[in-house]
Amino acid sequence: AQSVSQHNHHVILSEAASLELGCNYSYGGTVNLFWYVQYPGQHLQLLLKYFSGDPLVKGIKGFEAEFIKSKFSFNLRKPSVQWSDTAEYFCAVNAGGGSNYKLTFGKGTLLTVNP
Amino acid sequence: DADVTQTPRNRITKTGKRIMLECSQTKGHDRMYWYRQDPGLGLRLIYYSFDVKDINKGEISDGYSVSRQAQAKFSLSLESAIPNQTALYFCATSDLLVRENEQFFGPGTRLTVL
Repeated sequence: AQSVSQHNHHVILSEAASLELGCNYSYGGTVNLFWYVQYPGQHLQLLLKYFSGDPLVKGIKGFEAEFIKSKFSFNLRKPSVQWSDTAEYFCAVNAGGGSNYKLTFGKGTLLTVNP
Repeated sequence: DADVTQTPRNRITKTGKRIMLECSQTKGHDRMYWYRQDPGLGLRLIYYSFDVKDINKGEISDGYSVSRQAQAKFSLSLESAIPNQTALYFCATSDLLVRENEQFFGPGTRLTVL
């Protein structure tokens, strides 16, 4: 069964710092990859997704992620964080591509950005 | 996102009570899911349904049941609630015809079992 690991449970940054959140998955075949964000008290929203093509994916609010197949990784990055980026971030994998219904989520990384 | 709605948004109940959480969607999606979220554990799949006649167990279905009353409605029941079912519950939908299987989430129901 596929699994998803997010390396950091809680990351604390100051505004304007750069961000990188790690995500690794265990599945050797085709994958679709997602990053979701959950702002305090809100539901999950899609930040970005990788399906195929360019492994560098750009999402909303200045976020991007890079799919590195050889490392089974899909790390999330943002060059300069803002206080409003404070949220919990979840990496998710759809192993097997579109033929598989299931999304497997990581345990989440809580990002706190101090003003 | 009003496309996926959940009721109630908050519920406090006692051990042994039967509870139903409801989910409705206006996205026209065939696939619907129920997850629970616990601090430090991420989201775990309880049940999922591909259409009205299709119900499948997820990874943590014990103690839960579901009903897909219509394409747009998917209800989760706790037959006899226990304190370790205290969690945040999310409903999600996805489009059968979209290969990426992006899922769209409701606002969540915070359930507390005393």
